[in-house]
Amino acid sequence: DGGITQSPKYLFRKEGQNVTLSCEQNLNHDAMYWYRQDPGQGLRLIYYSQIVNDFQKGDIAEGYSVSREKKESFPLTVTSAQKNPTAFYLCASSMARGVTDTQYFGPGTRLTVL
Amino acid sequence: AQSVTQLDSQVPVFEEAPVELRCNYSSSVSVYLFWYVQYPNQGLQLLLKYLSGSTLVESINGFEAEFNKSQTSFHLRKPSVHISDTAEYFCAVRLNYGGATNKLIFGTGTLLAVQP
Repeated sequence: DGGITQSPKYLFRKEGQNVTLSCEQNLNHDAMYWYRQDPGQGLRLIYYSQIVNDFQKGDIAEGYSVSREKKESFPLTVTSAQKNPTAFYLCASSMARGVTDTQYFGPGTRLTVL
Repeated sequence: AQSVTQLDSQVPVFEEAPVELRCNYSSSVSVYLFWYVQYPNQGLQLLLKYLSGSTLVESINGFEAEFNKSQTSFHLRKPSVHISDTAEYFCAVRLNYGGATNKLIFGTGTLLAVQP
């Protein structure tokens, strides 16, 4: 089955700890994205990557880091510098080619800081 | 600045009644428009999109949306809803800068609550 997988589905973290969220896609998409979702605020872009070994900050990148060493993978690290990390995190990918480009989403990871 | 507005945070409706979820956008450049649906504790699923051509687009489960450039709107409609349509619906805009950027701007979502 082609698609986007995110793991784990639920994640608990103690304050002051870094944590890494996994995102893998087998759709052969060039671009990958990380969003944060909070109640009543919609989705906000954290980071995105159009090609391997390159990525750009989105609207709320502070306290987060990413890497893109493989086309299939785009892990997100939530660092201790992120002041309010409890949220639902969504990964997406797209072909990033022309006007028909459409983003497809994974099932999400719910992060709770204890 | 570009933005997407979903005026209704929640829309209660009875089963088999019609529904309209409103979406307006603000942009100085041309746009591409999307509706996504999110069921509880799940990711977003693409419902329908307008990229070009006919301004009326349809999904496989009976939803439709019409791009109205003069009113900068992309409202989502369904003539008869089912209990299973209960979910949160997000309108999103992708700006046409003519370059490679594919960033989406999302509205804050509308919860469609279908009651028996």
